[in-house]
Amino acid sequence: DAKTTQPTSMDCAEGRAANLPCNHSTISGNEYVYWYRQIHSQGPQYIIHGLKNNETNEMASLIITEDRKSSTLILPHATLRDTAVYYCTNTGTASKLTFGTGTRLQVML
Amino acid sequence: NAGVTQTPKFRILKIGQSMTLQCTQDMNHNYMYWYRQDPGMGLKLIYYSVGAGITDKGEVPNGYNVSRSTTEDFPLRLELAAPSQTSVYFCASSALDRGSGQYFGPGTRLTVT
Repeated sequence: DAKTTQPTSMDCAEGRAANLPCNHSTISGNEYVYWYRQIHSQGPQYIIHGLKNNETNEMASLIITEDRKSSTLILPHATLRDTAVYYCTNTGTASKLTFGTGTRLQVML
Repeated sequence: NAGVTQTPKFRILKIGQSMTLQCTQDMNHNYMYWYRQDPGMGLKLIYYSVGAGITDKGEVPNGYNVSRSTTEDFPLRLELAAPSQTSVYFCASSALDRGSGQYFGPGTRLTVT
């Protein structure tokens, strides 16, 4: 199972960038890094994934360090609707997807 | 696209009853998954499927059964419901086994009393 470490909680002012860190201590060479979020009582929402290179999509950017032991999810302009629990994970196959305890991001006015 | 849809949204079962949780996706994804999430806990994989006619057990399959007769549908059957099956159930799908995200449905909140 993936072993990841994330801060328990973070705050961010609305309109500012939210930078969420994750340590992937046991990541292996063929495993992708994934980020998901879960807004209260809703299903998890896929955000972004990457293998080695930095990635960007319409929701976020993903920065992966060269040794792949850590990643950072960047929400460039956080809004109140981005308040959620954010999970990072790494896995080689989708059937092995697991979530840790995640980071609770609170976006404030 | 509706994405992944699940029915029902809520259900209360008595101990020993059975039911089927429905899951449908319209993204033509080969891979589909059933998870349960207990309060304050992470996801646990119950069953998954890599295509029509092919299913496999996940981490916590006991007390559940699945079938996959079409690409779109992946129902989860609970036989002889027990209080330990009180949970929120999520269905998900993905295009690939590697290198693609999973798309989740809104969940079914099940209470067994």
